[in-house]
Order: sequence, then structure tokens, then C-alpha cells
Amino acid sequence: GEDVEQSLFLSVREGDSSVINCTYTDSSSTYLYWYKQEPGAGLQLLTYIFSNMDMKQDQRLTVLLNKKDKHLSLRIADTQTGDSAIYFCAEAIVFGNEKLTFGTGTRLTIIP
Amino acid sequence: DAMVIQNPRYQVTQFGKPVTLSCSQTLNHNVMYWYQQKSSQAPKLLFHYYDKDFNNEADTPDNFQSRRPNTSFCFLDIRSPGLGDAAMYLCATSSRFDGLNFGPGTRLTVL
Repeated sequence: GEDVEQSLFLSVREGDSSVINCTYTDSSSTYLYWYKQEPGAGLQLLTYIFSNMDMKQDQRLTVLLNKKDKHLSLRIADTQTGDSAIYFCAEAIVFGNEKLTFGTGTRLTIIP
Repeated sequence: DAMVIQNPRYQVTQFGKPVTLSCSQTLNHNVMYWYQQKSSQAPKLLFHYYDKDFNNEADTPDNFQSRRPNTSFCFLDIRSPGLGDAAMYLCATSSRFDGLNFGPGTRLTVL
């Protein structure tokens, strides 16, 4: 079965880089996603990566995928107070009409 | 702006009293999903519609039902809410190229 794991908490000083890690078990995962959830809000899609890629960069965000180890990471450069949120990774088999399996979420706290 | 709208944002119901949560979308996406998210947990898929085709997850309790009268609207009916059903309920949509777009959620309290 599918299982997605993340560390529960991460604290980072403002201006430093944040690295949020995720491991998954389903080797047939086709797409992997990062979502951001602010308090009391829904989930906001940040970025996604196809399983045939190993890196994707989008402004301050860099996603790294190690398919061999089934490890996904999200790096946020120059972390700001507005980045405080819970970050969920998720895996899916089919893009678009997919059923996403979410990780437990990592709460990112920014230290001024 | 194209979006996913959920009403109400906060819903209070009594133990055993049926409740309906609403979701609408202006994205014209063919797939709509309902997720349940309990405090400090990952969202859990309850069911989804691919157009009019309903797909229930195997572990979704019978207490939860859904209706999709047209492309734009989808409803979540909880027939007899229990204390364990208190959660955030998230509606999402997708089409083949857009990934999942989530609404702001409805927080359900059961008294």
C-alpha cells in the first residue's frame, strides 16, 4: 500500500534555507506534489514533479527527487515569515484524475 | 477568478443531526473530490466524482454520502454525525492537466 512520511516539525531562522523531506513507498508513483496549508485554510499547490525528473526549480522553491531511495525534498530559499505553514507532500499515480496520498505534513516555524 | 468555493466555512451541528456541506467550482473541472482532515493529520480521501461517476473509498463510512447534480456543484451529506466526524472537510477539483485545486474547507463541529 501507499505510505508517505514526513518529519512533523521544522524550525528555521528567517533568511536561511528550509529543507523539508518526504519519503514514499509506492514505486509506481508518477507525480509527486508539495502543498502548503496556512492555519484555517485549504491546501495550496506549490509545485509538482514528474517521476522522470530529478530536479525542478521555481523561483525560491527547489524540488529534488531521488527515485532510487524514494525520497523527495522541498528547499525554500531565503525563508520568510510568510512561509510559516504546514507543508504536505503527496504522491499520485495518474496526473489530473489522480487520487493523492498525503504525508503527515511538516509544520515550518520561522524564527525571527 | 476561477476558484473552488465551500459553504459554509464553519458548521456546527448536533450529534445525530444530518448536515450537508456544499462545494462549487468555476473551473469547469470534470473531477471533484471530498477529503476529511482531522486535527494535525493528513487529508484523507472520502470519495470523488469523475464527471457523474461516483467513486467511493473502501474505508469511507456509510454515514457519508455525496451528490453531484451538475459539473459545478458537489455536496457532502453526513447522515448522523458523531463526535468523531468533527473535522475540516476539503473539496477539491482537477482536470487532466491542472492537478488538484482545493477550496478553503468547512470546519465541522459536532456538539
